[in-house]
Amino acid sequence: EVQLVESGGGLVQPGGSLRLSCAASGFTFNHYSMNWVRQAPGKGLEWVSYISSSSYTIYYADSVKGRFTISRDNAKNSLYLQMNSLRAEDTAVYYCARASELERQDYWGQGTLVTVSS
Amino acid sequence: EIVMTQSPATLSVSPGERATLSCTASQSVNSNLAWFQQKPGQAPRLLIYGASTRATDIPARFSGSGSGTEFTLTISSLQPEDFAVYYCQQYNKWPPWTFGQGTKVEIK
Repeated sequence: EVQLVESGGGLVQPGGSLRLSCAASGFTFNHYSMNWVRQAPGKGLEWVSYISSSSYTIYYADSVKGRFTISRDNAKNSLYLQMNSLRAEDTAVYYCARASELERQDYWGQGTLVTVSS
Repeated sequence: EIVMTQSPATLSVSPGERATLSCTASQSVNSNLAWFQQKPGQAPRLLIYGASTRATDIPARFSGSGSGTEFTLTISSLQPEDFAVYYCQQYNKWPPWTFGQGTKVEIK
């Protein structure tokens, strides 16, 4: 069974940093690209970042470019999102999502809430 | 960036009735279109990919159709557990992967 478990969310002040983690199991992690997708309270889904299986290819949404860094450790079956210079508008539930064929997202974790507030 | 537009924003349906949800892309996405279901406090769940292929363990009452720019998700006979928010997403041209704003299916 595919499982994705996010952690690391919490309350942080504007301008602060946070590092999210996603622990993967139930599939061969190093064969799959991965994504972060977020959802602000009461809002829709917004893709945030993508990393290929080997970390060779990385993409970011314009809204987070230069502030967020995606990475992965295939030996630990883990995905990460380093978030710096956080803003109130970054407040959201952050989901990690596996990318399947054609790079579509198929399995999603339960999410971790990030709240940026003073 | 491809903009995805869903209609209606809210759909009021009685249990057992048919629900039809629409999704329009600002340019062709071929058949690279997915539908997700999201219930309160839960992660999105993949229902349909390739515009019309049901994902694993998705009941046959869910069906998808369309190609190019116009897509439809049909729920043939709404069950109590189907009341939720539904999102379409294109994965034809990325980045970015883009979602519609969602359609809430509520009990009439």
